[in-house]
Amino acid sequence: QKEVEQNSGPLSVPEGAIASLNCTYSDRGSQSFFWYRQYSGKSPELIMSIYSNGDKEDGRFTAQLNKASQYVSLLIRDSQPSDSATYLCAVTSNQAGTALIFGKGTTLSVSS
Amino acid sequence: KAGVTQTPRYLIKTRGQQVTLSCSPISGHRSVSWYQQTPGQGLQFLFEYFSETQRNKGNFPGRFSGRQFSNSRSEMNVSTLELGDSALYLCASSPRGQADTQYFGPGTRLTVL
Repeated sequence: QKEVEQNSGPLSVPEGAIASLNCTYSDRGSQSFFWYRQYSGKSPELIMSIYSNGDKEDGRFTAQLNKASQYVSLLIRDSQPSDSATYLCAVTSNQAGTALIFGKGTTLSVSS
Repeated sequence: KAGVTQTPRYLIKTRGQQVTLSCSPISGHRSVSWYQQTPGQGLQFLFEYFSETQRNKGNFPGRFSGRQFSNSRSEMNVSTLELGDSALYLCASSPRGQADTQYFGPGTRLTVL
């Protein structure tokens, strides 16, 4: 069973701080990696994708991928109360085709 | 560009009934995937359709089925509903050539009594 693991949290950070969210995956064949944000009662919203080792930045968000260690992380700089949500890590693998395998998510709480 | 739309948004059914959920993808997207989200299991992949053909299927019983129409709209059907089928059912569509980049609709909240 291919798995994606995330710390469920809650991760609490003050406004303006950097929030660091981590995700590990078990399938070395995983090719594509995504971060989704899900507000309570809403559907997941795609915020970042990353496909190769290293960092990818988009505004206040930075995704980091290390395939050798099988982990992917999301950094949120200058965290805002509006960033409070559950962050879902999702990966694909050769065996699962285009199906996204999701972690259970990490709940982030940003206090003002 | 309009996002993924799903209807209905909420459904209440009783055990043993069947239900059909509908999904319209983002304009131009031809790949549609369905997921089930529950508090205990999280988001789990049901199936994916592309050009009216099921291209991928998750580990769900045969009571869960789907189809896709020529205009890329998709439906999923759950027969003989069980209490455990209560969940948020999410549809996602993907742009051409990026089947793993999936944009989710608002979901259909199904409650089975």
